[in-house]
Amino acid sequence: QVQLQQSGAELAKPGSSVKISCKASGYTFTSYYISWIKQTTGQGLEYIGYINTGSGGTNYNEKFKGKATLTVDKSSSTAFMQLSSLTPDDSAVYYCARGQLGAWGQGVMVTVSS
Amino acid sequence: DIQMTQSPSSMSASLGDRVTITCRASQDIGNYLSWFQQKPGKSPRRMIYGATNLAAGVPSRFSGSRSGSDYSLTISSLESEDMAIYYCLQSIQYPYTFGAGTKLELK
Repeated sequence: QVQLQQSGAELAKPGSSVKISCKASGYTFTSYYISWIKQTTGQGLEYIGYINTGSGGTNYNEKFKGKATLTVDKSSSTAFMQLSSLTPDDSAVYYCARGQLGAWGQGVMVTVSS
Repeated sequence: DIQMTQSPSSMSASLGDRVTITCRASQDIGNYLSWFQQKPGKSPRRMIYGATNLAAGVPSRFSGSRSGSDYSLTISSLESEDMAIYYCLQSIQYPYTFGAGTKLELK
């Protein structure tokens, strides 16, 4: 069955970066884009952007340009999102999802605190 | 960006009730509307796609409909396992945008 397995929770200091992963299984990885979504209590669900898993092309929500960098490793069927220059506002749960968001990873909690 | 206005923000209902949640899009999104269910500590689960199509494994008491720019999710007979937060999503234009959510609680 389709599975998206995300990496574990992150505790990071302000100004640092984190890189979270999303490993896909149960389908042909390059047949679907991978999207990333941020969830906070205050802002709800926000769409960060997507990566074309075949070409590596990306499309970012303007709000997350410069904050998120999406990459992919086709050899391991894994998508990555790096979050840089972290601030407390980046504390959230981050999800990866397949295609039209028909399948989701379990989420990664990122906590930014000194 | 396309704004999705979802209502109500919360509601309480009894088991067996018919429940309807609505989203309105700020511009034409055709049928590019999905509904998601999220339970505490879990990832969102897609329930409806293409405005009216039931996702695989979703109980038939769930349905989606469209009237102009208003989209609705209906649960025909509420069960205890349906208590959750429901979100709508437009996927016609990037960035995709979500409604603010409807928290459904048991009365």
